[in-house]
Amino acid sequence: KQEVTQIPAALSVPEGENLVLNCSFTDSAIYNLQWFRQDPGKGLTSLLLIQSSQREQTSGRLNASLDKSSGRSTLYIAASQPGDSATYLCAAKNFISNFGNEKLTFGTGTRLTIIP
Amino acid sequence: DVKVTQSSRYLVKRTGEKVFLECVQDMDHENMFWYRQDPGLGLRLIYFSYDVKMKEKGDIPEGYSVSREKKERFSLILESASTNQTSMYLCASSLWTGGGAMIGASDTQYFGPGTRLTVL
Repeated sequence: KQEVTQIPAALSVPEGENLVLNCSFTDSAIYNLQWFRQDPGKGLTSLLLIQSSQREQTSGRLNASLDKSSGRSTLYIAASQPGDSATYLCAAKNFISNFGNEKLTFGTGTRLTIIP
Repeated sequence: DVKVTQSSRYLVKRTGEKVFLECVQDMDHENMFWYRQDPGLGLRLIYFSYDVKMKEKGDIPEGYSVSREKKERFSLILESASTNQTSMYLCASSLWTGGGAMIGASDTQYFGPGTRLTVL
């Protein structure tokens, strides 16, 4: 059974700093790994998706890496801004049947606060 | 852009009531999902559906049922609401990937805004 862990649960950093969020997973037979952002009381917004054959993906100030062998992924945020304050969740995708039925296993998230 | 909508943002019900949560997606996605999100437990999969009238249990199906009569709509039903079903409910949809060996482009799940359900 896949288990996904995100540590720390909360993180506060001053505006302008670069930061790294961590995600670990127990079953390396993933199809992809995805990072989401969730604002308070809202749904999830996909930030980056890394296929199992890829090592990293970049979008603007965000860079996500994937190391399947060690069961780790990181989300790097450059030059942080107050608008980056949110909860960040990672999710590992596994297939659970031969028909393409998928399952995302989520971490519990890291609540990020950027201090102006 | 993909749009996933949920019928209510906030809902308050009483113990024992039958509760319907509706989810609609506009991108002709085959897969649809219902999750609940609780502090410290993260998102947990309740049920999913990969086609009309098809459903599969997730990790925590007890106390819930689902209905998918049309491709764009996936309903979550609480037959007799209980206080431990107070939670944030999130619906998601995704394109069918055609099987594990037929890998296509990125295939993210798209989420709705969530329904905060309180059972008194």
